[in-house]
Amino acid sequence: QSALTQPASVSGSPGQSITISCTGASSDVADYYYVSWYQRHPGKAPKLIIFDVRNRPSGVSNRFSGSKSGNTASLTISGLQAEDEADYYCSSYTTSSTLVFGGGTRLTVL
Amino acid sequence: EVQLVESGGGLVKPGGSLRLSCAASGFTFSSYSMNWVRQAPGQGLEWVSSIGSSSSYIYYADSVKGRFTVSRDDAKNSLFLQMNSLRDEDTAVYYCARGGNPPRHFDYWGRGTLVTVSS
Repeated sequence: QSALTQPASVSGSPGQSITISCTGASSDVADYYYVSWYQRHPGKAPKLIIFDVRNRPSGVSNRFSGSKSGNTASLTISGLQAEDEADYYCSSYTTSSTLVFGGGTRLTVL
Repeated sequence: EVQLVESGGGLVKPGGSLRLSCAASGFTFSSYSMNWVRQAPGQGLEWVSSIGSSSSYIYYADSVKGRFTVSRDDAKNSLFLQMNSLRDEDTAVYYCARGGNPPRHFDYWGRGTLVTVSS
């Protein structure tokens, strides 16, 4: 159950777009369209923002989008806003019927 | 409104035991998988365990297998995590989260309860 690989940090200016990558293996990201993304502000519970690679839960801004190619999934945030500054985690269902998370990416809005 | 409230965290010595609870409300508890996820200080999220609706399946992370036991009481809308043989590396905030069947993602999370394992 190795963690998925995410960059430790990314940054962008308000209005710009950023992309966070999430690299897994053949037993998780590559094998399933069950990648999800979570946003976590300090001291708060994680919030689901993308599920099944590219679907947004009701109420989540369409500035958040997801995609996948092979064993790498990506989260793109367009039109960056100050409130987007947070930690972002990817997760994937695995062939062992378990889940694995990425190490997390700290997004800084400059 | 969906609410998940964890309790039972605290300070425990290595080798000790602790039982976490998660009280759920605002949805049909028995229809969903329930899950535990933890975050150690300065670390990322780590999936710990999942229990299906009607306890139809139970899975554990390798790091806790044989030491932790997940259970649920659908009549009381409650989820539990019995943690035995605790180690320093189990120190973390433990979150309970709602999932589907199977639990491919978690759509609601609690605020977490802190477990500190230290002598």
